[in-house]
Amino acid sequence: SQQGEEDPQALSIQEGENATMNCSYKTSINNLQWYRQNSGRGLVHLILIRSNEREKHSGRLRVTLDTSKKSSSLLITASRAADTASYFCATSGLYNFNKFYFGSGTKLNVKP
Amino acid sequence: SAVISQKPSRDICQRGTSLTIQCQVDSQVTMMFWYRQQPGQSLTLIATANQGSEATYESGFVIDKFPISRPNLTFSTLTVSNMSPEDSSIYLCSVDRTGGANYGYTFGSGTRLTVV
Repeated sequence: SQQGEEDPQALSIQEGENATMNCSYKTSINNLQWYRQNSGRGLVHLILIRSNEREKHSGRLRVTLDTSKKSSSLLITASRAADTASYFCATSGLYNFNKFYFGSGTKLNVKP
Repeated sequence: SAVISQKPSRDICQRGTSLTIQCQVDSQVTMMFWYRQQPGQSLTLIATANQGSEATYESGFVIDKFPISRPNLTFSTLTVSNMSPEDSSIYLCSVDRTGGANYGYTFGSGTRLTVV
């Protein structure tokens, strides 16, 4: 299965601190994406990193990708209470890049 | 990015009945995807819906249980048939954001299904 694992499963931090979530996957990928889900609602696309990229930034988000270790990390800097949500990584395969397989997710709680 | 209207947003259904979930996209898309998210779990891909052909189902999902229609490039339905409490989940549809998978996916707001 291509489905990834994320750690930690849950993370609780104070507002203003940085939050780091990790994602590991099993097979070679075309790209990796991070999504946010608030309270069991629809997912919001945050950032996509291609397999030939190592780091990408978007606002307070920084994503890294290490294809040799088959892992990625999502860093949220200067967290806010509004960042409280579940975060999922999703990967698409080399030969079936239209399908995405989701990791187990990290539940982030940012305390005001 | 495409905007998806998904309905119903939630429903409570009796076991043995069926529910049809609809997704309407504001632009034409080649492929639409249906996911299931069981309580407290991650998303699992059910099937890929292509216009003009049969849907492609992932391992563990069958057409008799989850029939899918894709009558045109902006609309799809997923039916959850002969429901049991184990089917209680959030069901989501998604499409690629700009016509290509390399830009990520847009998701509908989800249908929260409870089977009693």
